[in-house]
Amino acid sequence: GAGVSQSPSNKVTEKGKDVELRCDPISGHTALYWYRQSLGQGLEFLIYFQGNSAPDKSGLPSDRFSAERTGGSVSTLTIQRTQQEDSAVYLCASSNPTGGASIADTQYFGPGTRLTVL
Amino acid sequence: KQEVTQIPAALSVPEGENLVLNCSFTDSAIYNLQWFRQDPGKGLTSLLLIQSSQREQTSGRLNASLDKSSGRSTLYIAASQPGDSATYLCAVEADRGSTLGRLYFGRGTQLTVWP
Repeated sequence: GAGVSQSPSNKVTEKGKDVELRCDPISGHTALYWYRQSLGQGLEFLIYFQGNSAPDKSGLPSDRFSAERTGGSVSTLTIQRTQQEDSAVYLCASSNPTGGASIADTQYFGPGTRLTVL
Repeated sequence: KQEVTQIPAALSVPEGENLVLNCSFTDSAIYNLQWFRQDPGKGLTSLLLIQSSQREQTSGRLNASLDKSSGRSTLYIAASQPGDSATYLCAVEADRGSTLGRLYFGRGTQLTVWP
């Protein structure tokens, strides 16, 4: 597609429920990132996928958070037993890193999913 | 851990002014630095990427500089317009290694340009 797409755009859920957020990266991009933007906070790195390498999960805030990337394309971020502090905008980005510092390393962001946990 | 700070947090100016937004980072071992724009309720739009070996990048009315050794970057906006109103975010990508690909963001400068 022309850009990174995310679904749903908005999600309201009750505390304790599980949610799944979807990201479709730009076609051909090998790298995919999830970030979280909480109210009044900066963007926080969550997880990073690069090709067939093991993902960098070091930014996930708890074991209730997990993510998968199937077929090197679409990714799903799952939050189990949601808590009110999980309310935030979840942003996905993709890029095609060159292995060296270049303008091709630009990360392109989707519009985000606004998650509200009641 | 890399920390990114942006000053000022908010800025309100009349149309036509030239602006400087500041970004500082604590670890100079960066791979690149990116400036993004975020409009309310929308995702981020990349404005400029400066490679670690570069000193500046220009795009239209925007010019970004990088002084890696002192941990600073500035975004210069010439002849500001109301359409420039948005939040501007600075992000650094840490040197490749265990933090490969990860961007560290500042909290942004919220810019309002009034007619």
